[in-house]
Amino acid sequence: NAGVTQTPKFQVLKTGQSMTLQCAQDMNHEYMSWYRQDPGMGLRLIHYSVGAGITDQGEVPNGYNVSRSTTEDFPLRLLSAAPSQTSVYFCASSPSERQPQHFGDGTRLSIL
Amino acid sequence: QQPVQSPQAVILREGEDAVINCSSSKALYSVHWYRQKHGEAPVFLMILLKGGEQKGHEKISASFNEKKQQSSLYLTASQLSYSGTYFCGTDRLDSNYQLIWGAGTKLIIKP
Repeated sequence: NAGVTQTPKFQVLKTGQSMTLQCAQDMNHEYMSWYRQDPGMGLRLIHYSVGAGITDQGEVPNGYNVSRSTTEDFPLRLLSAAPSQTSVYFCASSPSERQPQHFGDGTRLSIL
Repeated sequence: QQPVQSPQAVILREGEDAVINCSSSKALYSVHWYRQKHGEAPVFLMILLKGGEQKGHEKISASFNEKKQQSSLYLTASQLSYSGTYFCGTDRLDSNYQLIWGAGTKLIIKP
């Protein structure tokens, strides 16, 4: 039982490049979310989804896009990477809102 | 607005007790507690909902004061494995279930 799988684990990008962070869960969870965590800070919600085909913006959505075509997958796209997007990104899922969230291991992203 | 966690850090000897607090300026539906060890993902500890319902581990206790919008996490007879950073996530009544997280409380347990 894999849980929440994030790929890649590490990535270095140049300013202006685009890329997609992958997130997949095998628990048939409806609710999925993307967070970023900067040093010494808590998690900040980027985007979330309450089910396939439904997404919404979180606290810090600028510069990121998401889609949810299947229950299992919730990719996060960086449109044009900026140094301010250097962070650790976590994907999480839960059966529904207000349920315990299961986190992936994170993607450590550096933008040069 | 980010909830305020206190203390920012605490150092304990094994077997001692600790209380971690989380305070919000907004009305809350629920408070979520997670622990994160260095370099790892956050792990669920507890959810406290408006009205008194709780979901979480039997060995963890917490409270939620709905009138003051405050929650406290109680760690008793601490073990080395309790070390890590504790985060509260607040679910505000006006936010359509978007968790807003505190900056964390770093807990160090010494033998």
